[in-house]
Amino acid sequence: QQQVKQSPQSLIVQKGGISIINCAYENTAFDYFPWYQQFPGKGPALLIAIRPDVSEKKEGRFTISFNKSAKQFSLHIMDSQPGDSATYFCAASVGANTGFQKLVFGTGTRLLVSP
Amino acid sequence: DTGVSQDPRHKITKRGQNVTFRCDPISEHNRLYWYRQTLGQGPEFLTYFQNEAQLEKSRLLSDRFSAERPKGSFSTLEIQRTEQGDSAMYLCASSIQGAGYTFGSGTRLTVV
Repeated sequence: QQQVKQSPQSLIVQKGGISIINCAYENTAFDYFPWYQQFPGKGPALLIAIRPDVSEKKEGRFTISFNKSAKQFSLHIMDSQPGDSATYFCAASVGANTGFQKLVFGTGTRLLVSP
Repeated sequence: DTGVSQDPRHKITKRGQNVTFRCDPISEHNRLYWYRQTLGQGPEFLTYFQNEAQLEKSRLLSDRFSAERPKGSFSTLEIQRTEQGDSAMYLCASSIQGAGYTFGSGTRLTVV
């Protein structure tokens, strides 16, 4: 019940295209859903996060879509650029209002944006 | 410095040796987390603290692993009698309610 399932494992998108990564969760107690970007040899960097009372959040080229009834959320990267080539992780946590507990991560998606 | 700082960045050790890593969180963050990440995998939770109290430990944290956060500021993660399977990136993160988690750049451990 603590798992977060992520797909696809890898993704190749042409420059200017839309990258879409999907995640699903089981634990309905999760109340914080962030996406992280990670480059080789670096720690994960927060891209964007959403709480379950919102169905969509947009920051620049990055959008999270959240479907509470389906227990799914996705990351959309618009106008994908070669610099977006990295590994992306979805995650989920309990405690957005009370103090964050542990983050549970998905397995990651390796994105390659071809020039 | 406004980020999470980890030291050292890289550590190579011989099997059987003890190693200790340090994490300095963002100063106003009261929670501190340790994760382990192996190549091609997502970070796996090890343990976390609220101030100096260790609130949760993963089953991944065997008897050879110990973490402390004296005085609720920096934290150390010690691995005793290292094994080749301990080779991984060890990540530290900190958080405060309402602000999410911030990760450090990690300590890459190689056990030879």
